[in-house]
Amino acid sequence: DAKTTQPPSMDCAEGRAANLPCNHSTISGNEYVYWYRQIHSQGPQYIIHGLKNNETNEMASLIITEDRKSSTLILPHATLRDTAVYYCIVRVEENAGKSTFGDGTTLTVKP
Amino acid sequence: NAGVTQTPKFRVLKTGQSMTLLCAQDMNHEYMYWYRQDPGMGLRLIHYSVGEGTTAKGEVPDGYNVSRLKKQNFLLGLESAAPSQTSVYFCASSYRVGQGDHEQYFGPGTRLTVT
Repeated sequence: DAKTTQPPSMDCAEGRAANLPCNHSTISGNEYVYWYRQIHSQGPQYIIHGLKNNETNEMASLIITEDRKSSTLILPHATLRDTAVYYCIVRVEENAGKSTFGDGTTLTVKP
Repeated sequence: NAGVTQTPKFRVLKTGQSMTLLCAQDMNHEYMYWYRQDPGMGLRLIHYSVGEGTTAKGEVPDGYNVSRLKKQNFLLGLESAAPSQTSVYFCASSYRVGQGDHEQYFGPGTRLTVT
């Protein structure tokens, strides 16, 4: 599985968009980009995933660059409840779950 | 659906004691996983299972054993607990590739302290 690099921490104002970057320059053609988050000490929660195209669901949008070497998770209107650690994980579908979550980005949403 | 449940929620062990952590899922998932999370760090995979009766090692398997006798249950055992195994343990489950969504579903975690 490709290695990912994320900033250790970010702040965002409540109501503004939160843009969380992830670098995965060694990604291979059949590897997906997954995003999870962990609120306080709870179990991680799936957010979104994508292969090549940009994806959107009720929680967030995922923008993957054309060369697929980086991606951005967008929370369009961040709330205080979005304060969490966000993990970007790259892996092939067959390896779903069989990988380590890195240290992630701690997003703090401020009033 | 209860989703993924873990028993117990908290436990304190003395060095050398043994215990078993139970994970149960009611989503008919084929795959199940055990992770540990040390303070301030991400999750590391201990063991996983791709189906009833099968288990495989993850990144940090030493000191742990697992069993998957029933599809819905995945047990994590510590035969002789050590202080280095103080951690929060998370269980997760997911569909087999091609059977459903890509999502992993996580349990609430078990906080284990070894003194």
